[in-house]
Amino acid sequence: DAGVIQSPRHEVTEMGQEVTLRCKPISGHNSLFWYRQTMMRGLELLIYFNNNVPIDDSGMPEDRFSAKMPNASFSTLKIQPSEPRDSAVYFCASRGLLSMNTEAFFGQGTRLTVV
Amino acid sequence: GENVEQHPSTLSVQEGDSAVIKCTYSDSASNYFPWYKQELGKGPQLIIDIRSNVGEKKDQRIAVTLNKTAKHFSLHITETQPEDSAVYFCAAKSGGNQFYFGTGTSLTVIP
Repeated sequence: DAGVIQSPRHEVTEMGQEVTLRCKPISGHNSLFWYRQTMMRGLELLIYFNNNVPIDDSGMPEDRFSAKMPNASFSTLKIQPSEPRDSAVYFCASRGLLSMNTEAFFGQGTRLTVV
Repeated sequence: GENVEQHPSTLSVQEGDSAVIKCTYSDSASNYFPWYKQELGKGPQLIIDIRSNVGEKKDQRIAVTLNKTAKHFSLHITETQPEDSAVYFCAAKSGGNQFYFGTGTSLTVIP
């Protein structure tokens, strides 16, 4: 398996533009997580899905952020409109739900810069 | 929810010495504690984990200890090597599916 695949690896966009980050979890994993990493706040959980259903989105900063998981093999995190303070590395991770105490596997991340 | 604290934030050791990173957690229901290593430009990767029914686990130069009563767990790296230089994160998972991460420790091993 190629692991969790995120795209793009890097994104530079202008303030006010819409940004869409993509994630393909590991095949067979049915939990998916979106994290944001910054120097100031470390790794913050934004939202996670079980079996394509959003379970906890309390970490989503504000209404400008939205996430979808239309099927078991694909998820998106959208920021509209983007702001400079959204600049961060965004990670997607997946794990098998039935394995209660096992690791989450992380993708390589998307480095977002909003200018 | 769970609150995980991690210390120190930065750590420098001489090659061959040991490194210890400590974490505390708040939710006594947490039952799984993984440690992740993040190298520059990459995502975090699991290096070792421990479950709440075990007090200590070792894998070659890496060991983790867990004190459930005190709600703290530690990562021990012995005979450190330059390639151990990275950011290390502890995490705790409670009954739900969320992983709560510490703020990370930047480890530098000086050759």
